[in-house]
Amino acid sequence: EAQVTQNPRYLITVTGKKLTVTCSQNMNHEYMSWYRQDPGLGLRQIYYSMNVEVTDKGDVPEGYKVSRKEKRNFPLILESPSPNQTSLYFCASSPPPGNSYEQYFGPGTRLTVT
Amino acid sequence: KNQVEQSPQSLIILEGKNCTLQCNYTVSPFSNLRWYKQDTGRGPVSLTIMTFSENTKSNGRYTATLDADTKQSSLHITASQLSDSASYICVVITTDSWGKLQFGAGTQVVVTP
Repeated sequence: EAQVTQNPRYLITVTGKKLTVTCSQNMNHEYMSWYRQDPGLGLRQIYYSMNVEVTDKGDVPEGYKVSRKEKRNFPLILESPSPNQTSLYFCASSPPPGNSYEQYFGPGTRLTVT
Repeated sequence: KNQVEQSPQSLIILEGKNCTLQCNYTVSPFSNLRWYKQDTGRGPVSLTIMTFSENTKSNGRYTATLDADTKQSSLHITASQLSDSASYICVVITTDSWGKLQFGAGTQVVVTP
């Protein structure tokens, strides 16, 4: 089954404790992206990757890191999480988005930073 | 200022009725426009994708229209069902920054029996 998976689905952590949220897709997509969603603000793009070893900032990259060493994986790293990073996070993948291909979203990771 | 504006912010409709959601955008140069449906707490699911040359695209009871000249799009839901209760998000992609998607804030639709 074609899908985007995220782990963990739920995470409660404390300020400053480094964490990684994994994202994996099995559709051989070039493009992958991370978003956060907060009440009243909609989806906001954190980072995206057009292909392996190619990453770029979205609208809200501060406090986050990403890497794309393999085509299927695109982990999101929070080196020193803070309470304002409490949010619902989504990973997505697609063939190059400018070509009108559908983008597939993962199930989401709900992160709480205390 | 958000370059993709959606209206209304929310609406409540009776089951079986029709409704229309609006999306106005200012981003350019335009590549394509997408409508997504997002159930609460779940990832968005694509409904339609339209390029510059497409005026209308349907997906079951969902019909999207695009006027690239006025930079307006609409999503029409016909004969609404309870399962249509969700947030509907408009997304625009430009040709000079294909990786960076421009999101609207979404319209929250509640269908009541």
